[in-house]
Amino acid sequence: DIQLTQSPSFLSASVRDSVTITCRASQDISNYLAWYQQKPGKAPKLLIYGASILQSGVPSRFSGSGSGTEFTLTINSLQPEDFAAYYCQRLNRYPPTFGGGTKVEIK
Amino acid sequence: QVQLVQSGSELKKPGASVKVSCKASGYTFSTYSLNWVRQAPGQGLEWMGWINTNTGNPTYAQGFTGRFVFSLDTSASTAYLQINSLKTEDTAVYYCARDYYDSRGYFLFFDSWGQGTLVTVSS
Repeated sequence: DIQLTQSPSFLSASVRDSVTITCRASQDISNYLAWYQQKPGKAPKLLIYGASILQSGVPSRFSGSGSGTEFTLTINSLQPEDFAAYYCQRLNRYPPTFGGGTKVEIK
Repeated sequence: QVQLVQSGSELKKPGASVKVSCKASGYTFSTYSLNWVRQAPGQGLEWMGWINTNTGNPTYAQGFTGRFVFSLDTSASTAYLQINSLKTEDTAVYYCARDYYDSRGYFLFFDSWGQGTLVTVSS
């Protein structure tokens, strides 16, 4: 099975910073990748799929890029509500593996 | 609007069984498959498998065969996860999630999630 490795695992940042989270796949997965945000005690929320397609209703400060084995999620101008955990996930093939997660904390 | 509403928290003893429900509303139930995702305390997300809401056919991920059972009540637009012979390591939040697909050819991503059901297994 394909493995997804996220880095960093933890990230400290301040409001209005820009941050980038990386997800690396153990094999080429084309652009079959999604990103989710999860706040404590809440269900994950879909942010991006197809590596770069913003889900309806998601603020434009979130963006995704990449293909093949390396992908990034960028959050421009972090807002207080963006402090959360972020997960990548492989699409279009079973199993739809998740990355280990990145926790974005307030500095 | 699309909603998945799960049943409440459960406290069970080792060896017991638990059945978690996931009631869908706001869309045609049989149009989208439902997946189950586990999240152990302080850990990441783990895909458990899915059930075809049109045929009722379940598919289980590695590590979730034998004690885990997915089922449906299509008349009630509800999916169920049953875990038998509970172990302490089954303590986790269990989520149901709708498997969406996009006209550009993307699928197997989850656009709607239940609120999660905490299952605690302790003697």
